[in-house]
Amino acid sequence: EPEVTQTPSHQVTQMGQEVILRCVPISNHLYFYWYRQILGQKVEFLVSFYNNEISEKSEIFDDQFSVERPDGSNFTLKIRSTKLEDSAMYFCASRVDPRADTQYFGPGTRLTVL
Amino acid sequence: AQTVTQSQPEMSVQEAETVTLSCTYDTSENNYYLFWYKQPPSRQMILVIRQEAYKQQNATENRFSVNFQKAAKSFSLKISDSQLGDTAMYFCAFKGAQKLVFGQGTRLTINP
Repeated sequence: EPEVTQTPSHQVTQMGQEVILRCVPISNHLYFYWYRQILGQKVEFLVSFYNNEISEKSEIFDDQFSVERPDGSNFTLKIRSTKLEDSAMYFCASRVDPRADTQYFGPGTRLTVL
Repeated sequence: AQTVTQSQPEMSVQEAETVTLSCTYDTSENNYYLFWYKQPPSRQMILVIRQEAYKQQNATENRFSVNFQKAAKSFSLKISDSQLGDTAMYFCAFKGAQKLVFGQGTRLTINP
């Protein structure tokens, strides 16, 4: 069964460094999402992406964040200058098309900022 | 803005028992979807069950079923014949046009 994959599973970085989190959505899906879950808290929406542009973003998704679909398979989240409070699990999700309601999640990347 | 509330931070039952997790939400939309996701210790988000708001019939997936009360904006999850592998965080989620809005989660422990 097709699934969303994410790499790396765990990333440790120093405060102020740039990180890129990678996701490979399910191949025929058209909508892509990033969510964040700080330890012990609920999952929060960051951004949605369709047709090579951001369709919606949350207040969390400030200028330090960017997303890109550099090729036909990868979907990346970049944090330009990481802060301690960026430490969290980052989940990628994808959805087939506008008529579909279910988002399928990847296994997540645990980001630790020291 | 939509909000999702799960009022039970933790629950614990014995294996084979039935357990019900509660969820309420607030929205002004008429067409939406509701989901329950399971998050085991691995922290992966796994879809358990989904419900379309326009359907009156409650969704069922094997041992998992929901009680969807649209007027009351309530969406509870019932797990029958609970198993040790059901131990996880359970998140209720609402979806309108695009994004998912999650509740705070309920930590469910199934005891042997």
